[in-house]
Parts: sequence; C-alpha cells; structure tokens
Amino acid sequence: GAGVSQSPSNKVTEKGKDVELRCDPISGHTALYWYRQSLGQGLEFLIYFQGNSAPDKSGLPSDRFSAERTGGSVSTLTIQRTQQEDSAVYLCASSLNRPGGFDQPQHFGDGTRLSIL
Amino acid sequence: AQKVTQAQTEISVVEKEDVTLDCVYETRDTTYYLFWYKQPPSGELVFLIRRNSFDEQNEISGRYSWNFQKSTSSFNFTITASQVVDSAVYFCALSEARDTGRRALTFGSGTRLQVQP
Repeated sequence: GAGVSQSPSNKVTEKGKDVELRCDPISGHTALYWYRQSLGQGLEFLIYFQGNSAPDKSGLPSDRFSAERTGGSVSTLTIQRTQQEDSAVYLCASSLNRPGGFDQPQHFGDGTRLSIL
Repeated sequence: AQKVTQAQTEISVVEKEDVTLDCVYETRDTTYYLFWYKQPPSGELVFLIRRNSFDEQNEISGRYSWNFQKSTSSFNFTITASQVVDSAVYFCALSEARDTGRRALTFGSGTRLQVQP
C-alpha cells in the first residue's frame, strides 16, 4: 500500500525477552520517526532518522532501546530484556522533511501493540 | 523546552452541535509548526492540518476550522455540525525548526471527543 506499514500489529512476549518491531515508511520519505503511546505517558518521541545523518536518539528511554534504518528505508526498533513498563503502542511515522526545509506532515502507521507479560 | 497543553480530557456533544478543542503551546523558538491529528478508534493517527508560525490566517476546511493566535499561544480546532464519525481522540502537536533539523513532534495529551447520535 501507499501508507506507512508496521509489523507485527500485535506482539505479546514475556518479560526479559527481546523484541523487534519493523517499519516500512512511505516510499521517497527521507525522514522516519518512532514514537511510543502509553496510557500514563501519552505520545512520546523515541528516535528520528533523517537521510544519511546520524539519528537523533534523544528520546530513547534507556539503553535497552535501539533502532536502525537500513538503506534509508526500512527501520527496526529493538527492545532488549523487555520490562512490563515497555508495554505500549509503538508508532512509526515518515515525512518528506529535508534539513532546512519547511516541516512536512508526518504520516503514521497503525502501530504495533506490545504487551509484556 | 516545548510543551503542548490540551486541557480538555474528554468532551461529549450531541450530533449537529459545534465543538471547539483547545490547544495551548509553549516554545522559545520564533519558527515552529503546529499540527492537529485525529486518532479514531481504529488507532491510526490521521493528519488534519499544519500551520507555520508566520501564518496566522485562520483556516476552514469543510466542517473543520482552526484559529491560530500567537498572542495567546493557542491553536484551537472547531468542528461545526458534529457527526458521529467525528468521535475520536484529537491531538495537537508542535515541532520546532531548529538548526539540528530535528522535527520530532511534541504532542498534547489529547482530547477524546464523543459525538452522540
């Protein structure tokens, strides 16, 4: 499809396991974002990729969280040694943003609902 | 630091009523962007509108209108003649055009709108 695609849509795992969440941005979008939506914290920024620049990781809550973006397209968010407080919906967004240009709207995927038992 | 406040947690109206969703923001930047997103029960965040800080013209799109007032740091959203399909959580968001190029969104906590038939 033409939108941002995320997989899996739901993930249930045991505390302490590692998980990988995938995001396929809209073709041609140079900017990619990960956010987390949880009941207590609302929508929080996690990490931002822009083209070939070093990612902005300032929103990652701990060193258990990491993300990469291969070939300027697909991104994977990895959470190691999951904790119950990691339970949330993880949202990916992409946009046409270019450094120095006007802000373009971010288009969001449906999210991955992560539940840690 | 930037901040977005949506003081109304939940609003309930009857179909055909007009409703205004409030948004107040804080930022130290002179150049910034404001957004509204809709999150229906299906969960996907849907982009509604973007404004930049240099354009204070109000905007109307069908039943939707937005009132941007820099003097009060507000960017309010009005739905005229509400419909049941307008039931959703609405998020106001802010991004700052910093030299770093980071365009991550800072979201408000959202306003849940329930439109009763």
